[in-house]
Amino acid sequence: EADIYQTPRYLVIGTGKKITLECSQTMGHDKMYWYQQDPGMELHLIHYSYGVNSTEKGDLSSESTVSRIRTEHFPLTLESARPSHTSQYLCASSPGTSGGQDTQYFGPGTRLTVL
Amino acid sequence: AQSVTQPDIHITVSEGASLELRCNYSYGATPYLFWYVQSPGQGLQLLLKYFSGDTLVQGIKGFEAEFKRSQSSFNLRKPSVHWSDAAEYFCAVGAWNAGNMLTFGGGTRLMVKP
Repeated sequence: EADIYQTPRYLVIGTGKKITLECSQTMGHDKMYWYQQDPGMELHLIHYSYGVNSTEKGDLSSESTVSRIRTEHFPLTLESARPSHTSQYLCASSPGTSGGQDTQYFGPGTRLTVL
Repeated sequence: AQSVTQPDIHITVSEGASLELRCNYSYGATPYLFWYVQSPGQGLQLLLKYFSGDTLVQGIKGFEAEFKRSQSSFNLRKPSVHWSDAAEYFCAVGAWNAGNMLTFGGGTRLMVKP
């Protein structure tokens, strides 16, 4: 099982603030992902990365941005938080095995509340 | 494009009873299938996965799942449920022609009665 960490676990912040959600993994995985999940709802992919300097947008449009400067680190940034950004954000990583046999491992999540 | 359906949004079972959570997928080629569990306020933990071979796969915490190609299903089972199994369960399909991305079902919330 991969070791993948997210900080903070909980964040309550006012509208208009800039925030960065941190995600780090220690398994050397090439691929990393960010999902957004509203309470009791399914996961929606918002960003992913194939490796260093690679970032792609996912299925769900998001106002957030990501960067991948180091293999182990994949932070997500919101330049100006709004109440509509209130959600749980899950980070995941996978080794990048080809052919669909790629297993994703998840961090504990960050629950964001924007007032 | 692939899709996953979990027909049951909520399921309640008594502790000690058997459990089956349903998962149906739609995908034109050989699917790679996963079950994850999410406890309240936590991330997703991998329970088991199917890539090929024996269609009955064993996972952690006493769970198993059976791949049935003819029914496009990958149902999760446990013979005797424990109160600690109460959680949200997600089925997912991975596709080689979709950049190895996972498509998740909507989840099934399991409640366990004492």
